[in-house]
Amino acid sequence: GQSLEQPSEVTAVEGAIVQINCTYQTSGFYGLSWYQQHDGGAPTFLSYNALDGLEETGRFSSFLSRSDSYGYLLLQELQMKDSASYFCAVGGATNKLIFGTGTLLAVQP
Amino acid sequence: DGGITQSPKYLFRKEGQNVTLSCEQNLNHDAMYWYRQDPGQGLRLIYYSQIVNDFQKGDIAEGYSVSREKKESFPLTVTSAQKNPTAFYLCASSQGLSWDAEAFFGQGTRLTVV
Repeated sequence: GQSLEQPSEVTAVEGAIVQINCTYQTSGFYGLSWYQQHDGGAPTFLSYNALDGLEETGRFSSFLSRSDSYGYLLLQELQMKDSASYFCAVGGATNKLIFGTGTLLAVQP
Repeated sequence: DGGITQSPKYLFRKEGQNVTLSCEQNLNHDAMYWYRQDPGQGLRLIYYSQIVNDFQKGDIAEGYSVSREKKESFPLTVTSAQKNPTAFYLCASSQGLSWDAEAFFGQGTRLTVV
């Protein structure tokens, strides 16, 4: 089967850098995505990694190591509006899109 | 504007009744998905469809049914067989088999069964 593990909660202060890790087990791995969800809202796409390495999009970066079945989302210059849940997701050979359990990020002033 | 629309936003039903949640997209996406989210939890896949007139069970399909008669529409029926139907239901669509394509989500339907 497929499974993804993330820390349940992370707390950081404004202006800091935070890393949210994701380890996965899946068959026929295609890529790792990251989504942000504010309380009660719809998840929105942040980034996608198909190959090993770092992808940077503004304040957010995402990293993937296929050999380690591991990735992370890096958020820099944290702002209060970054307080949200963050989910990693994998697409695999079965064409499912499976999400992790989510990490609740609390940004404090 | 292109997007994905779920309706209604809030839904109340009596125990034992079937209820159908609507999901419509005008993004011309091939793939559509239904997820269930419980408080403080992740998204669990109920059903997904890669093409019209075809769909597959996800991880928690028991007690649910879907149809995909049109590319734009992927309604979800929560049947009386679903033991704990109260949850937040999210519909999503994506371009399809290209996994670098992002999934777009609707605003969700919050179902409460009393």
